[in-house]
Amino acid sequence: ELKVEQNPLFLSMQEGKNYTIYCNYSTTSDRLYWYRQDPGKSLESLFVLLSNGAVKQEGRLMASLDTKARLSTLHITAAVHDLSATYFCAVDSGGGADGLTFGKGTHLIIQP
Amino acid sequence: GAGVSQTPSNKVTEKGKYVELRCDPISGHTALYWYRQSLGQGPEFLIYFQGTGAADDSGLPNDRFFAVRPEGSVSTLKIQRTERGDSAVYLCASSLNRGLTDTQYFGPGTRLTVL
Repeated sequence: ELKVEQNPLFLSMQEGKNYTIYCNYSTTSDRLYWYRQDPGKSLESLFVLLSNGAVKQEGRLMASLDTKARLSTLHITAAVHDLSATYFCAVDSGGGADGLTFGKGTHLIIQP
Repeated sequence: GAGVSQTPSNKVTEKGKYVELRCDPISGHTALYWYRQSLGQGPEFLIYFQGTGAADDSGLPNDRFFAVRPEGSVSTLKIQRTERGDSAVYLCASSLNRGLTDTQYFGPGTRLTVL
């Protein structure tokens, strides 16, 4: 059974600081996704990572994937309040018609 | 263009009742997924459609849950004899196909409350 673990599950940080969210998964996967969810809203796609060593950046967020370590990271640079949200990683086990397996999410609060 | 839409946005029902939740995927998307999200958790996969057929229903928790997609577009998730434990946000997602780079686009969800 595929398991996805995120840490930390809760993070409070100040504006201007840098931090990294980690996502570990238990079995070989074809692709990994990062989503953002604001309170009471649905999920917004941030990144799709398709291969070992993949790195993608959008604004202050950068995601990377190490398939050998079964690890993805989401790095936040010089955080701003607008990035406060819950961030989920999700893994597609591939090889069939399964849906995504999500981590529990990282609830990020960025204080002004 | 229009995203994934779901109706109703909120549904309150009594234990033992039957409910239907509707999902309109993005036009042209052949893959459609249903997920369930409990408070403080990540979404949990329920069922996946490719076209009209349910390609994977392994996530449905029991036989009270059923979903259809008769014309390969709109899908309905049906829950019989609802229980309080069914209370959650039910999310629908669609993707263009189930190709290597396909992103699943999520709808706003239906918040189901079973009293």
